[in-house]
Amino acid sequence: DGGITQSPKYLFRKEGQNVTLSCEQNLNHDAMYWYRQDPGQGLRLIYYSQIVNDFQKGDIAEGYSVSREKKESFPLTVTSAQKNPTAFYLCASSMTGDLTANEKLFFGSGTQLSVL
Amino acid sequence: KNQVEQSPQSLIILEGKNCTLQCNYTVSPFSNLRWYKQDTGRGPVSLTIMTFSENTKSNGRYTATLDADTKQSSLHITASQLSDSASYICVVSGDAGNMLTFGGGTRLMVKP
Repeated sequence: DGGITQSPKYLFRKEGQNVTLSCEQNLNHDAMYWYRQDPGQGLRLIYYSQIVNDFQKGDIAEGYSVSREKKESFPLTVTSAQKNPTAFYLCASSMTGDLTANEKLFFGSGTQLSVL
Repeated sequence: KNQVEQSPQSLIILEGKNCTLQCNYTVSPFSNLRWYKQDTGRGPVSLTIMTFSENTKSNGRYTATLDADTKQSSLHITASQLSDSASYICVVSGDAGNMLTFGGGTRLMVKP
């Protein structure tokens, strides 16, 4: 069963705590992405990676960190520096990362992060 | 600034009826335009991708149109079903390989 698996589905963060969201893909895609979705707003790019051991900041990277040690995995850490972390987080992947070339973008089922 | 605006924000229709969702964008230069369907609490799923040269593309009961001159797109849903209840998101790709601009979505509810 190919696709993108995100876990957990729901996550709660206490103040001052770092939390990590998992994203795994078995599509053999080079590129992976993290987006944040707030109600009524368009998705915003947090980080992306086009190759193992390399990643780039997106539009709203402050307060977040990522790693890409394996092609299949792209975990996102929401640090205590992110003061408004409550949102729906979506991981995505594409074959090469060239989204100008009609390359499909596949999404995971998301993680809802809430602050206690 | 690149922007994608969708209208209406929400829409309620009766099962079996048709509807059309609108998308206006200011992204330039333009590479392609995508429509996604997102069920509540799930990730978006691709419906269509259209390039500059394509003005219509269908996927079952979903038909997307694109007018690159006026920078407008529409998504027409024919003979709606209860399972069409979802948010529909318009996404535009510019000239940077990995950058997409997302609209805020239209929330569609189909009632029996």
